[in-house]
Amino acid sequence: DAGVIQSPRHEVTEMGQEVTLRCKPISGHDYLFWYRQTMMRGLELLIYFNNNVPIDDSGMPEDRFSAKMPNASFSTLKIQPSEPRDSAVYFCASSPDYNEQFFGPGTRLTVL
Amino acid sequence: KQEVTQIPAALSVPEGENLVLNCSFTDSAIYNLQWFRQDPGKGLTSLLLIQSSQREQTSGRLNASLDKSSGRSTLYIAASQPGDSATYLCAVGDTGRRALTFGSGTRLQVQP
Repeated sequence: DAGVIQSPRHEVTEMGQEVTLRCKPISGHDYLFWYRQTMMRGLELLIYFNNNVPIDDSGMPEDRFSAKMPNASFSTLKIQPSEPRDSAVYFCASSPDYNEQFFGPGTRLTVL
Repeated sequence: KQEVTQIPAALSVPEGENLVLNCSFTDSAIYNLQWFRQDPGKGLTSLLLIQSSQREQTSGRLNASLDKSSGRSTLYIAASQPGDSATYLCAVGDTGRRALTFGSGTRLQVQP
């Protein structure tokens, strides 16, 4: 298996623009997690899905952030409108049974 | 709310030394604990996963222990090598909220 795949790897955008991050989990994994990593706050959970259903979105910063999982092999995290404070590395992870989590390479987002 | 602390924040050792990284957590009602490695600008690589019912796990030169009652875990690295230089992250999976809470990491530098 190729592991968790994320795209794009790097994204530079201007404040106010819409940003969409994409994730393909490992095949057969029922859990998908979105995390954000910043220097100030470290790694924090944003939202996670079980069998394509959002279970806990308490980490989503505000209404500008939304996440979807239309099928078992694809998820998106959207920020609209983006702000400079959203600059961070966004990680997607998947797990077969809520046990060991496997992380993707991350998307480095810079909002100017 | 679970809080995870890692000590020390940074560590520099000469090649060949055995070393211990520490992780503590505030809520002992955990599901599992996972140690990760992160290289600069890269994603997270899972090193060891310890279930709440286990006391330790070993993989090659790495050994992780868990003392749930005292809220502590240690990662022991034997015969350190320059290739071990990275940031090591401890993450706790709670029984209630099925996602990982991360420590801030220990940045390790192994000098040749």
